[in-house]
Amino acid sequence: QQPVQSPQAVILREGEDAVINCSSSKALYSVHWYRQKHGEAPVFLMILLKGGEQKGHEKISASFNEKKQQSSLYLTASQLSYSGTYFCGTEPWDTDKLIFGTGTRLQVFP
Amino acid sequence: DTGVSQDPRHKITKRGQNVTFRCDPISEHNRLYWYRQTLGQGPEFLTYFQNEAQLEKSRLLSDRFSAERPKGSFSTLEIQRTEQGDSAMYLCASSLEQGSYTFGSGTRLTVV
Repeated sequence: QQPVQSPQAVILREGEDAVINCSSSKALYSVHWYRQKHGEAPVFLMILLKGGEQKGHEKISASFNEKKQQSSLYLTASQLSYSGTYFCGTEPWDTDKLIFGTGTRLQVFP
Repeated sequence: DTGVSQDPRHKITKRGQNVTFRCDPISEHNRLYWYRQTLGQGPEFLTYFQNEAQLEKSRLLSDRFSAERPKGSFSTLEIQRTEQGDSAMYLCASSLEQGSYTFGSGTRLTVV
């Protein structure tokens, strides 16, 4: 039931791009994305609510393919501050809670 | 509003003791969630409230765990007869219905 994220880890140089994928076995109402830095709480990035919806947040954007039960997070021109672990949180149609994915650890180096 | 507050930040307890954690959500948020997170893993759902009603509890949660949210404001999570496997970060989050989650800083529990 836990959504699967890929890749498990990414190492980037500043300015490089990355894509993080999230795949669920259940039909989804929404997908959330959060970033967690070491020793801190997860911080909300964005929600995607409709099939095919794409949202942006500065140089971070995401897409949601409702039919495939998949979401992708796109990080462009990465900055040092992007380092952390990214979690997708999926909300299936039959529940009101988020089920968090396995996580993707992103490290950005100068 | 200062966000979601959790207390204590750290708790070390001996195996077999009872512990209680407190969460103060954002006042406008009617939903409150408890998650548990171990190193390298995503947050694992424990239970959630809408106002004062506990609407769902994880099947993974043993009867040693209990949560309350009297009057739909703050919430407490109690673990009775703690075991070493209970060692984890306990995260509280609050939200409006189907809105984004705001997490607290968590309570790190160590059972020795």
